[in-house]
Amino acid sequence: KAGVTQTPRYLIKTRGQQVTLSCSPISGHRSVSWYQQTPGQGLQFLFEYFSETQRNKGNFPGRFSGRQFSNSRSEMNVSTLELGDSALYLCASSLQNRVSVNTEAFFGQGTRLTVV
Amino acid sequence: AQKITQTQPGMFVQEKEAVTLDCTYDTSDQSYGLFWYKQPSSGEMIFLIYQGSYDEQNATEGRYSLNFQKARKSANLVISASQLGDSAMYFCAMRDLTNQGGKLIFGQGTELSVKP
Repeated sequence: KAGVTQTPRYLIKTRGQQVTLSCSPISGHRSVSWYQQTPGQGLQFLFEYFSETQRNKGNFPGRFSGRQFSNSRSEMNVSTLELGDSALYLCASSLQNRVSVNTEAFFGQGTRLTVV
Repeated sequence: AQKITQTQPGMFVQEKEAVTLDCTYDTSDQSYGLFWYKQPSSGEMIFLIYQGSYDEQNATEGRYSLNFQKARKSANLVISASQLGDSAMYFCAMRDLTNQGGKLIFGQGTELSVKP
């Protein structure tokens, strides 16, 4: 069974540009969450999608957006990039389809974004 | 407020010895789940072990066990017989019902180094 696939693995962008990251969840998983990891702030929750609907959102500016397609694949977009957006962006998928605290999240290897 | 605290930024352990990584948590929910993840330098978060708030027994998974003390709100990870491949970042995380279980709250992590 294939794991969570994130593309690209590495990305270098210039300030002011926009970027789109992709995440393909494990087959059958309908919940996809995104996290930003930086040395200073640690791992922070960006948003969660379930069945093409954003179900939860973290405290990030509107420049960060996402969507989920009917096949559960998800993309996140960051517009008007800032130097502080440099981070490892991790995607996680899970089987969760109802309120549940015991659902394991499976993570991809992440996309390492560098903004110069 | 939901919070995970890992007070050990770095730990050293001799190969074949046991090590305990500390984690305390805060939540007002009665139902919650606690997770430990390992993150090697490659970036991927690898699930290690899960403990539910209503579980009476401490969770165990191979060389990993979770010392769950509910009254003290602690969920320490114990790794027995450390191996060189255990060198990595370790994160404690929690889900509760605040966000329909869709969000993982992470601690700041502990960097474990296993010495030969």
